Amino acid sequence: GENVEQHPSTLSVQEGDSAVIKCTYSDSASNYFPWYKQELGKRPQLIIDIRSNVGEKKDQRIAVTLNKTAKHFSLHITETQPEDSAVYFCAAVYTGTASKLTFGTGTRLQVTL
Amino acid sequence: DVKVTQSSRYLVKRTGEKVFLECVQDMDHENMFWYRQDPGLGLRLIYFSYDVKMKEKGDIPEGYSVSREKKERFSLILESASTNQTSMYLCASSLWELGTGELFFGEGSRLTVL
Repeated sequence: GENVEQHPSTLSVQEGDSAVIKCTYSDSASNYFPWYKQELGKRPQLIIDIRSNVGEKKDQRIAVTLNKTAKHFSLHITETQPEDSAVYFCAAVYTGTASKLTFGTGTRLQVTL
Repeated sequence: DVKVTQSSRYLVKRTGEKVFLECVQDMDHENMFWYRQDPGLGLRLIYFSYDVKMKEKGDIPEGYSVSREKKERFSLILESASTNQTSMYLCASSLWELGTGELFFGEGSRLTVL
């Protein structure tokens, strides 16, 4: 089955700096890669996703890049703000029959003033 | 706005008790999921269901069962709770199969087994 590794497990940045979270996956057939954000005490929510037919996707201050050859994808947050502090989860799945979404182990991002 | 509601936010049970965790969604989604969240281990899939009365095992189904008698309701059952089942349990629903589109999560049920 799919295995997703996520690094780092914790990340502290100063407000205004950029943050990068990296994930690698094992199944070369995986073709959908979402990112979820979970604020303290809240439910995880989808913030951005990318499919394997594109290499990069942006949404305001967040972007995701995908390198299919190396089997890794990354979340980039620019101009970080205190409200970006949360746990971020990457995930991967092959969107075929009987496939399951596999999550990474999470990255706790702390944005300090 | 999709709403996924888990009936209990906090539960404390004793070893050997039977535990029911209830989840209801209001968006007519076909697909529902139960995840377990533990620090350092991420979100792990316990069971999922893509239709009423249908269920499929996820990655860690041992010690759990599920029930889906109605489309909007998906229950997780611990037949005989054990201390290693102390965890946060998250229910989710999705319009898409097997989490290939957005998953809408409930707020979680934190279970402590003594």
